[in-house]
Amino acid sequence: LAKTTQPISMDSYEGQEVNITCSHNNIATNDYITWYQQFPSQGPRFIIQGYKTKVTNEVASLFIPADRKSSTLSLPRVSLSDTAVYYCLVGDRGQAGTALIFGKGTTLSVSS
Amino acid sequence: DTAVSQTPKYLVTQMGNDKSIKCEQNLGHDTMYWYKQDSKKFLKIMFSYNNKELIINETVPNRFSPKSPDKAHLNLHINSLELGDSAVYFCASRPTSSLGDTGELFFGEGSRLTVL
Repeated sequence: LAKTTQPISMDSYEGQEVNITCSHNNIATNDYITWYQQFPSQGPRFIIQGYKTKVTNEVASLFIPADRKSSTLSLPRVSLSDTAVYYCLVGDRGQAGTALIFGKGTTLSVSS
Repeated sequence: DTAVSQTPKYLVTQMGNDKSIKCEQNLGHDTMYWYKQDSKKFLKIMFSYNNKELIINETVPNRFSPKSPDKAHLNLHINSLELGDSAVYFCASRPTSSLGDTGELFFGEGSRLTVL
């Protein structure tokens, strides 16, 4: 199973763009890259998913280089409410038996 | 309209007791999971069931026994509780490819277990 590496923590200020990079050097051909957000006392929540190049939704953008060995979650103009833990996962989304492995995540702290 | 619901949300008990946590999902998903999140926030998979069948069983002590009476429910029973079992336990569900699986996990709010 592909293992991911992310920074343990990041700090930012309101209104700034935040980029969180995840390394997944042994990502498999069928693996997708998925990011989750977790607030204190809540379960993780899906943010965005991609396979290659760039994916954008109303919450974030996901940049994936051609070799797919890393990915970057981009949060535009963060606010205090974006303070959370962000997890990067890689896995084959078509396999029910896939153990979706969470790493330690990146704790993002946004200050005013 | 909670998609994945867990009960109880908080559970405080003594060492050696037996306790259960229940999970129900109303999303029509075929696959359900139990994850354990310890004090260091590391989220670790414990079990996965697909259509009531166990498909993933990570290295979890056999004091932990999942039970799936139907595909909408996955309960977790823990025997002889130990101090190290204190954690937040999350239930999650996921659709299979027949339902347009995106691999997205839908989590419950968690059940915080404290063993004294």
